[in-house]
Amino acid sequence: SAVISQKPSRDICQRGTSLTIQCQVDSQVTMMFWYRQQPGQSLTLIATANQGSEATYESGFVIDKFPISRPNLTFSTLTVSNMSPEDSSIYLCSAKPGTGNNEQFFGPGTRLTVL
Amino acid sequence: GQSLEQPSEVTAVEGAIVQINCTYQTSGFYGLSWYQQHDGGAPTFLSYNALDGLEETGRFSSFLSRSDSYGYLLLQELQMKDSASYFCAWMDSSYKLIFGSGTRLLVRP
Repeated sequence: SAVISQKPSRDICQRGTSLTIQCQVDSQVTMMFWYRQQPGQSLTLIATANQGSEATYESGFVIDKFPISRPNLTFSTLTVSNMSPEDSSIYLCSAKPGTGNNEQFFGPGTRLTVL
Repeated sequence: GQSLEQPSEVTAVEGAIVQINCTYQTSGFYGLSWYQQHDGGAPTFLSYNALDGLEETGRFSSFLSRSDSYGYLLLQELQMKDSASYFCAWMDSSYKLIFGSGTRLLVRP
């Protein structure tokens, strides 16, 4: 299993600014991912955070807007850049411990409000 | 593209059995997962089906038919704490998850 923490848990930001969200896993994991979820809606995959290389982004998400880092096997950051009110959402990171386990563990999420 | 469809809402009484269906259209299908999410909480893993058939874990069972692009989650002996949102999610060979639209389950006394 994996226990995931995220910082900050919530934030209120002004448009045009950037926010970096941190995701820490209590053990080394194979895969890490970032999702976005509007309240009451489903989860949308933003990107796969690759250790030691550039993240793999899903359609509709670009590196300039959502730069991602993954410097090691337990930590990743997602930056929401040049924010607008449309970026208001819950951002969640997830981790998949190993190739023999199909379970993903999710962090508690970061609730972002952009004014 | 990929899409996974679920009923938006299901209501059932405590102690009953409920089935939440998921139909999907995807390419590169690897397996179907189910996640539970309580309001304000993180999604938590319930089950995973890579092959056709039924997987049972306590009060929860999940079924997959790859030929029909269909799966379901079966919840037995419903409890009030089972009131939550339930998501099916398609997994591809890179282990990323594409989530369905989600089903909100309301369990009534």
